[in-house]
Amino acid sequence: DIQMTQSPSSLSASVGDRVTISCRASQSIRSYLNWYQQKPGKAPKLLIYAASGLPGGVPSRFSGSGSGTDFTLTISGLQPEDFATYYCQQSFSTPRTFGQGTKLEIK
Amino acid sequence: QVTLRESGPALVKPTQTLTLTCTFSGFSLSTSGMCVSWIRQPPGKALEWLARIDWDDGKYYSTSLQTRLTISKDTSKSQVVLTLTNMDAADTATYYCARTGLSSGYGVAFDYWGQGTLVTVSS
Repeated sequence: DIQMTQSPSSLSASVGDRVTISCRASQSIRSYLNWYQQKPGKAPKLLIYAASGLPGGVPSRFSGSGSGTDFTLTISGLQPEDFATYYCQQSFSTPRTFGQGTKLEIK
Repeated sequence: QVTLRESGPALVKPTQTLTLTCTFSGFSLSTSGMCVSWIRQPPGKALEWLARIDWDDGKYYSTSLQTRLTISKDTSKSQVVLTLTNMDAADTATYYCARTGLSSGYGVAFDYWGQGTLVTVSS
């Protein structure tokens, strides 16, 4: 199975900040990397697909980059509604696997 | 409009078999490229992918749980069923079903999710 490792596990930031979350795969997954946002008590929501694709309705302050084994989620200009937990997930091979999550908290 | 909804028991006893149903609308699992997965999340923990069934009846399972899992579909009812045998306290989690649509424009990401159903394992 491909292991996905996120860093950091938690992060404190202020409204307006720019934050980056990293995700590393245990082997190359090309660009088969997705990011999800999850708020308490809610289902995850697709945020970024195929490493850098932005689904309709997702604000442009969210961006993704990377390929191979190293990926980054960047939020430029944090908004109050962005404080949540973020997960990366590989879709290169089955079984699919998720990172352990990064909890973004208000400083 | 695509929707998915999980249903099943909220409480199961240890050693029992869990059966969950995902009822969906807005797409057909007989359409090429459509897939439905089950994913779970223990309280306060990370997401864990469990199983997937594809439009062509391909079935795929978690490596660690494959001996306990079975996934099936009823295309006419727009339902996917997951069974997990020999339930244990460690299986207490919110269980989600999610769609992957290769023609959705979002590649092989989970683009739509159900709201989840919490299953507690306790005697």
